[in-house]
Amino acid sequence: DTAVSQTPKYLVTQMGNDKSIKCEQNLGHDTMYWYKQDSKKFLKIMFSYNNKELIINETVPNRFSPKSPDKAHLNLHINSLELGDSAVYFCASSLLGQIEAFFGQGTRLTVV
Amino acid sequence: GESVGLHLPTLSVQEGDNSIINCAYSNSASDYFIWYKQESGKGPQFIIDIRSNMDKRQGQRVTVLLNKTVKHLSLQIAATQPGDSAVYFCAEKPRNTPLVFGKGTRLSVIA
Repeated sequence: DTAVSQTPKYLVTQMGNDKSIKCEQNLGHDTMYWYKQDSKKFLKIMFSYNNKELIINETVPNRFSPKSPDKAHLNLHINSLELGDSAVYFCASSLLGQIEAFFGQGTRLTVV
Repeated sequence: GESVGLHLPTLSVQEGDNSIINCAYSNSASDYFIWYKQESGKGPQFIIDIRSNMDKRQGQRVTVLLNKTVKHLSLQIAATQPGDSAVYFCAEKPRNTPLVFGKGTRLSVIA
């Protein structure tokens, strides 16, 4: 009964490719997020969606495009992948205004 | 930009001893401060939070202390166990914005 699930868990791809990471939550939350964790373990917010609407878009290249088909899903599409995109990407969800966010297990993206 | 940081990147503790993980923050406007635990290969997991108008909150084997005067947050783990080995993040929750995480401290428990 995974609360927040991401696929794939590992993704290795070449520079210039386009890839997508999927995220689904079954917690009934109305807000979903994408975080990027770099090699030094630093977690940085990328996007935040509430009820399928984008509410936070930090300084992220246009190559990153989130899509939320419904409240339970927030997918991340990345165009023209670069070496610097290599990181672990975490999806998370919460109820708007609540403190606790639930995280997925992460997707380790390696661009070669 | 980053507004939450940590004093120590790594901490080694003997099993059974108490652990103290420290964090400095700079955004005084946050409503809540939170500690997350991240085990290897997993996503961060909520441990405990403290509201900005409190200075201490206790959970099961964990205590969070907030000193707003010096903008300091700490997590105390009593009787540290091998299962406590992980990276611990402090985070702040400003109103209507997502969590802002600090850099993390790796806790290693020596059996």
